Amino acid sequence: EDQVTQSPEALRLQEGESSSLNCSYTVSGLRGLFWYRQDPGKGPEFLFTLYSAGEEKEKERLKATLTKKESFLHITAPKPEDSATYLCAVRVTGANSKLTFGKGITLSVRP
Amino acid sequence: NAGVMQNPRHLVRRRGQEARLRCSPMKGHSHVYWYRQLPEEGLKFMVYLQKENIIDESGMPKERFSAEFPKEGPSILRIQQVVRGDSAAYFCASSPVVRDGAYEQYFGPGTRLTVT
Repeated sequence: EDQVTQSPEALRLQEGESSSLNCSYTVSGLRGLFWYRQDPGKGPEFLFTLYSAGEEKEKERLKATLTKKESFLHITAPKPEDSATYLCAVRVTGANSKLTFGKGITLSVRP
Repeated sequence: NAGVMQNPRHLVRRRGQEARLRCSPMKGHSHVYWYRQLPEEGLKFMVYLQKENIIDESGMPKERFSAEFPKEGPSILRIQQVVRGDSAAYFCASSPVVRDGAYEQYFGPGTRLTVT
């Protein structure tokens, strides 16, 4: 069974304190790995798609990387407005188009 | 360009009533997905539809739940005879035409269903 595990469950950072969020996956065949941000009471907001090991993508203070077993979302010098839940999801071969999500990592950045 | 729209945003139903959740995909998107998010759990896939076709309903409960995406109008997720365990946030997502490979799904704001 395809599995996506995110760690830690929650992370508290001081403003400016860089860190990484982990997403590990066990799937039959990866077609794409997705990162989303979700604010309380809102829908997930798309951040990145990664397709193959070694790929990296950046957007402002966020950088996503991918290996054959896991993905990292690096947050450089975070600000309080980066506080949110970050979701990782995978699309696998033969699973039509559905995404399998991890439970998310709740990030809190203190000023 | 308007994003994915869902209505209502909040819905309260008594046990045994029916709930109808609506989703209008982004302009130019012909694929719709429904996900459910229970408290303290991740998003769970329910169903994937194209216009007038159900492509994958492997995540739908076998009873009381149904979904459609008619030729005209929004996609509808219908829950008959709701029970308290149906209380959750229901999200709709849409994507453009599927090509070989992965693509992004864009999510709506969700409908929060409360069953009393």
